[in-house]
This record gives sequence, structure tokens and C-alpha cells, in this order.
Amino acid sequence: QKEVEQNSGPLSVPEGAIASLNCTYSDRVSQSFFWYRQYSGKSPELIMSIYSNGDKEDGRFTAQLNKASQYVSLLIRDSQPSDSATYLCAVTVPSNAGGTSYGKLTFGQGTILTVHP
Amino acid sequence: NAGVTQTPKFRILKIGQSMTLQCAQDMNHNYMYWYRQDPGMGLKLIYYSVGAGITDKGEVPNGYNVSRSTTEDFPLRLELAAPSQTSVYFCASRLLATDTQYFGPGTRLTVL
Repeated sequence: QKEVEQNSGPLSVPEGAIASLNCTYSDRVSQSFFWYRQYSGKSPELIMSIYSNGDKEDGRFTAQLNKASQYVSLLIRDSQPSDSATYLCAVTVPSNAGGTSYGKLTFGQGTILTVHP
Repeated sequence: NAGVTQTPKFRILKIGQSMTLQCAQDMNHNYMYWYRQDPGMGLKLIYYSVGAGITDKGEVPNGYNVSRSTTEDFPLRLELAAPSQTSVYFCASRLLATDTQYFGPGTRLTVL
């Protein structure tokens, strides 16, 4: 059973703080890793993708990937009330040995983040 | 471009009824997907398609069927609706050369 687990929430941080969101995955052959943001009642929106070990920064967002530990995280610096949303971790896994995933996403259950003024 | 559109936005079904959820995209994307999201949970893949005429099952296909006769449209059919199918359904599409999936606004379905 391929699983993606996220740290249980909800997570509440003050405005201006760093929010740290964590995700572990069970399948070692997972290929690609994504963070989606979902506002209440809306559809998911891709905010970060990462494919190799290390850090990837985009504005206030930093994604970190450690394939040996099967761990991916998202840091949000200078958190704003507009960052309040559910954050979904997702991974892709090849359908067969050496094959493609066809982009099929396996999602974690999400972490609710609240940034309070 | 309208992106990914879904109809209807909301629907209430009685147990045993059938319906089709419509999904269309105008971005000429090869890949299309159907996900469901239960309250407080992540999304689960129902079916996907890599092009017109080609579909395959995802993680939770039971109780659903799909077809893809054109690049633009990817309808999801529910036969014999059950309360367990109460969920929000999202359609998504993606260009072959990229990883970004674009999601539609969703259809909220309640089966009573």
C-alpha cells in the first residue's frame, strides 16, 4: 500500500513566523514530489515541485527532499494570514519497473495551517 | 482559456440513481484525471486518461466509469449511486511535457 503521511494538524503560527509542514512517503521508488495549497471550498493549486535531494526555494517557500529518509517538507517564511489553507503533499510512483507514473498523484491527508495576525 | 471546467457544481442524488459528471479542458492537454476528496482527507485517484480512447483505473475505481472520445472531454459516470460516493470530485489535466496538474473547481455530490 503506497502511503503518504503528513504531520497532524492543525498548525497555527503567528504572522511573520516560519511554518513547517512535513510529509513522509512509503514507496522508495517515488519519483516526483509536490506541495499543493487548497483554500476552503476551492480546488488544489500547485505551489512547489521537487525531484532531487536538497532544497528548492521559490519566494517565501522552500521545499526540502531527503530520499534516504523518505521525507519531504515545506517551509513558509514570513507567514501571512493569506497563507492560511490546507497544504497537501503528493508524490508520483512509477506504474511499473523503469516505467512512467503517468503523473498519477498519491496525496497525503493534508495539514491545515492557520496564520493569525 | 477557460482552463478546466466541471459541471454541475452541486448535485444531490438518491441511492441507486445514476449521473454523469462533466469535465472539459481547452488547453489541449494529453492527460486527464478524476479524483475524489472526502471531508478532511486528501484526494484519491479514481480514473485517468493519457489520451483520447485510452483510460485506466486509479486507486478507487469501483462504482465509476469513464470514457474519453475527444482530447477535451473526460466525463465520469456514476452507476447506482451509494452514500459512500458522497464526496467532492475534482477533474484535472496536464500537458505531457510538464508535471503541473490543473484542477477544475470541483463537483460536490451528496447521495441520500
